Amino acid sequence: EDKVVQSPLSLVVHEGDTVTLNCSYEVTNFRSLLWYKQEKKAPTFLFMLTSSGIEKKSGRLSSILDKKELFSILNITATQTGDSAVYLCAAPNTGNQFYFGTGTSLTVIP
Amino acid sequence: ETGVTQSPTHLIKTRGQQVTLRCSSQSGHNTVSWYQQALGQGPQFIFQYYREEENGRGNFPPRFSGLQFPNYSSELNVNALELDDSALYLCASSPTGTRSYNEQFFGPGTRLTVL
Repeated sequence: EDKVVQSPLSLVVHEGDTVTLNCSYEVTNFRSLLWYKQEKKAPTFLFMLTSSGIEKKSGRLSSILDKKELFSILNITATQTGDSAVYLCAAPNTGNQFYFGTGTSLTVIP
Repeated sequence: ETGVTQSPTHLIKTRGQQVTLRCSSQSGHNTVSWYQQALGQGPQFIFQYYREEENGRGNFPPRFSGLQFPNYSSELNVNALELDDSALYLCASSPTGTRSYNEQFFGPGTRLTVL
């Protein structure tokens, strides 16, 4: 059965800390790995990763994919209270079916 | 550029009723996907429409059905509502064809409560 598993389920850190969120996947005909941030309703797109070992960066956020070990990590450095959200990863297959993880709930305390 | 919009924002129904949710895709996007997100869970893929045809379906029963219109807007219909259908329903559009892929842009969702 195709699935995406995220860990940890929740995380509480202090402002300025660095966090690493994990996403492992087992998806037949895997196409890509995506990260989203969900604060209230609509998930907002962060990264799409298709190639192994190539880090994508956007400000304090970065992500990398390992297609051999079937996982991805999302790093957030110097966390801020505005980073508090649920972070979702998703893995679509070539049949356009998307598999989402349950998400990691991140709380950043001032 | 107009983003993805959904209506209504909230909806309350009773068991056994039918509901129609609507989604307008982002300008220039011809693919729409629907998701069900229960509280504390990740979105579950319901189905995708590309150029008015179903282009992939998740593990949802036939009482979940959809349509896509020539302007690429879409509807999700759910018949014979059950309590477990209570969830946030998200629509996402993307400028993709059947053999290519881009990131999806999500609408704000419709919160459905079934009593």
